[in-house]
Amino acid sequence: EDQVTQSPEALRLQEGESSSLNCSYTVSGLRGLFWYRQDPGKGPEFLFTLYSAGEEKEKERLKATLTKKESFLHITAPKPEDSATYLCAVQAGNTGNQFYFGTGTSLTVIP
Amino acid sequence: KAGVTQTPRYLIKTRGQQVTLSCSPISGHRSVSWYQQTPGQGLQFLFEYFSETQRNKGNFPGRFSGRQFSNSRSEMNVSTLELGDSALYLCASSRDGSNHQPQHFGDGTRLSIL
Repeated sequence: EDQVTQSPEALRLQEGESSSLNCSYTVSGLRGLFWYRQDPGKGPEFLFTLYSAGEEKEKERLKATLTKKESFLHITAPKPEDSATYLCAVQAGNTGNQFYFGTGTSLTVIP
Repeated sequence: KAGVTQTPRYLIKTRGQQVTLSCSPISGHRSVSWYQQTPGQGLQFLFEYFSETQRNKGNFPGRFSGRQFSNSRSEMNVSTLELGDSALYLCASSRDGSNHQPQHFGDGTRLSIL
């Protein structure tokens, strides 16, 4: 069965304290792995697409990496405005557009 | 460029009623997917529409249905509402659902069942 697991569920960091979020997946036929950011009361906002083991993508203080079994979202020197829930999703299946989401990591960055 | 628009933003209904939610995708996007988000379960896939046809379906009862119009706008209907249907319903669109193509989300409809 296709499955996506994110850890930790919640993370509190001091401003400037770097860390990593984990997304492990078991799917048949990975067609893409996606990271989203979700703020309270809003829909998920797209951050990155990864689809090949070894691939890396960067945006400001965020860097996403992908292996054959998991993906990491590295946050370098976070700021309070990085506080949000970070969601990982995989696109799988032979046809169509079905995404499987993890339950997310709630990140709080303390000034 | 306008994003995904969902209406209404908030809705309060009672058990047994039915409800229709609306989604306008990003211009040029033909794939529209619907998700249910609850604190305990996260985002659960409901169904996907492409060119007015349902292309994928998640594990939800038949009370949940949808449709897509020729302009790619989509509606989702829930009949005989239950307390457990209280959730944030999110719509997402993408160009055609090809590999590596992200979905872009609206801000959802918050449905509360009394």
